[in-house]
Amino acid sequence: RKEVEQDPGPFNVPEGATVAFNCTYSNSASQSFFWYRQDCRKEPKLLMSVYSSGNEDGRFTAQLNRASQYISLLIRDSKLSDSATYLCVVKPPGGYQKVTFGTGTKLQVIP
Amino acid sequence: NAGVTQTPKFQVLKTGQSMTLQCAQDMNHEYMSWYRQDPGMGLRLIHYSVGAGITDQGEVPNGYNVSRSTTEDFPLRLLSAAPSQTSVYFCASSVAGNSPLHFGNGTRLTVT
Repeated sequence: RKEVEQDPGPFNVPEGATVAFNCTYSNSASQSFFWYRQDCRKEPKLLMSVYSSGNEDGRFTAQLNRASQYISLLIRDSKLSDSATYLCVVKPPGGYQKVTFGTGTKLQVIP
Repeated sequence: NAGVTQTPKFQVLKTGQSMTLQCAQDMNHEYMSWYRQDPGMGLRLIHYSVGAGITDQGEVPNGYNVSRSTTEDFPLRLLSAAPSQTSVYFCASSVAGNSPLHFGNGTRLTVT
């Protein structure tokens, strides 16, 4: 099993739709979780951290389910500018050792 | 607001040539790492460092060397370039603990 797994998509959604991505991880001791956004093979940029209690940033909501070992990202009221690849990132305990990326989920928002 | 700086942005090498990709950060981050990204493969860790003088291998270290003589710099050396090393390379850094990674703009390398 891969350490971090994501559905590669693409998810093609109309503007205004709500879309959700999941990411599963294999190391139950994983400490920190993040969602990154990447445009056209530019550098990944931090979208949001994922906290145990769940957190929201505008139209974006991130959730962590430790029991089932997955994190999720919900995007409400999708905009054309949300079209990108969304990367799930898992950090091990202590923050050292290797940081693992999912392969990314591609989102295309359609007019 | 320099953050993580990578040079060069683009590079073309011939098979067998060597070169060094530079990465520097001005945020006093302990953790630095190099990734390569290929179509359909996601980001794969090449080497990482948890502090000056300490480096370790990632998922795909063969053909690459690193060193960390200072906190700020983490160069990646290609000893004898091969076409399989054609890729986009990203350097990233972070503090320890639960902090996110900060990425450089990437180096697009083509080996012919």
